[in-house]
Amino acid sequence: QLHLQESGPGLVKPSETLSLTCTVSGVSVSSDSYYWGWIRQAPGRGLEWVGSFFYGGDTSFNPSLRSRATISVDTSKNQFSLKLSSGTAADTAVYYCARSYYDSTGYTFFDLWGQGTRVTVSS
Amino acid sequence: QTVVTQEPSLTVSPGGTVTLTCGPNSGAVTSGHYPNWFQQKPGQAPRALIYSTSHRHSWTPARFSGSLLGDKAALTLSGVQPEDEADYYCLVYYGGAYVFGTGTKVTVL
Repeated sequence: QLHLQESGPGLVKPSETLSLTCTVSGVSVSSDSYYWGWIRQAPGRGLEWVGSFFYGGDTSFNPSLRSRATISVDTSKNQFSLKLSSGTAADTAVYYCARSYYDSTGYTFFDLWGQGTRVTVSS
Repeated sequence: QTVVTQEPSLTVSPGGTVTLTCGPNSGAVTSGHYPNWFQQKPGQAPRALIYSTSHRHSWTPARFSGSLLGDKAALTLSGVQPEDEADYYCLVYYGGAYVFGTGTKVTVL
């Protein structure tokens, strides 16, 4: 059964790098059928797309985060990770990983989500 | 960056019908933007409801329907149930970039 599980540090000091990992079970992150992405939600706020990738293809980021964000993939562990450098209080949020795909009906974005991991940026 | 606006809040009576809309600060939402809709209840991860404008997921009740209404994407809830009280977000695709709407809080009263 397909399952996504986020993990992260919980607390990060300002100016440090946020490092988050999404562990996928039930399908390979290197599958050519799916896209994968990160979404975050600051306390009491709406959803914000962070970045997405297709294994072996393009990676795209929210323009507001592009200069600080990187996504990497570890196929041996079936994981993908988000790093967000120079963390500030504005990066405090619940971070979700999710799956997308394209088929004959069009794009299905983020049909399956992890439960989310809370990250606080504070000294 | 494009801002996609939704009604901040809507109230509907049980058994009633309510339509939520989703539109950018400039231009129109079309089928080529593949609008998706999500439901989020307090303390939970979002749940996908509608993809590519009007397609329901296998788990989405038939009372949820998606469409284009003028230059906006729309989500209609018909025969509203108490458990439909939640926040709803649209998502619009702009050629490699994804923009979530500002969200609508639906109250069932």
